Amino acid sequence: QLVLTQSPSASASLGASVRLTCTLSSGHSTNAIAWYQQQPEKGPRYLIKVNFDGSLSKGDGLPDRFSGSSSGAERYLTISSLQSEDEADYYCQTWGTGIWVFGGGTKLTVL
Amino acid sequence: QVQLVESGGGVVQPGRSLRLSCAASGFTFSIHGMHWARQAPGKGLEWVAHIWYDGSKKYYGDSVKGRFTISRDNSKHTLYLQMNSLRAEDTAVYYCARVKYNWNDYWGQGTLVTVSS
Repeated sequence: QLVLTQSPSASASLGASVRLTCTLSSGHSTNAIAWYQQQPEKGPRYLIKVNFDGSLSKGDGLPDRFSGSSSGAERYLTISSLQSEDEADYYCQTWGTGIWVFGGGTKLTVL
Repeated sequence: QVQLVESGGGVVQPGRSLRLSCAASGFTFSIHGMHWARQAPGKGLEWVAHIWYDGSKKYYGDSVKGRFTISRDNSKHTLYLQMNSLRAEDTAVYYCARVKYNWNDYWGQGTLVTVSS
């Protein structure tokens, strides 16, 4: 079964860096995933696609502060030089034949 | 610029039907697959349905299969979601999203559907 697991919450200080993790279920460790940011009362915003080999496809106009990486079944979103507007919910997504799945989301708090 | 504007949400009684629309502009609608996704109050995102660029293939999430129908009119640059036999658990903000390869590169702002007697 295709499942994505995310920690419910994360926090980091203004100006610091944070790495969010999205874990693919067993048997799907080579899947690519996409990361989305959702600020309160807004639609999601596509950030970056992360492939198994760590190669990336970034969304239009995405600041260089946002990056992605991969290790085994884990896909990461790293945000550096945290700003107050980065406080949001972050979701990962993957797909198979005729199916798309979201992780449960991580609520990022910027301290 | 790419714009996706959902409409058609509202309050509906359980068991009734509702049709959502998504007006697309700023890109060539007819060459992109499209998705509907939803988000129940205070919950995460859930994929609902996918339609190929030409409407020839459609896929649905298990929770809506047999009740919801995704369709499109490329001449009107519009995506639709026909929702039948609505349940309280279908209460959510419904988003349309453009598909780029397999992920969603642009999203609308959503329309709220409330299923309640």
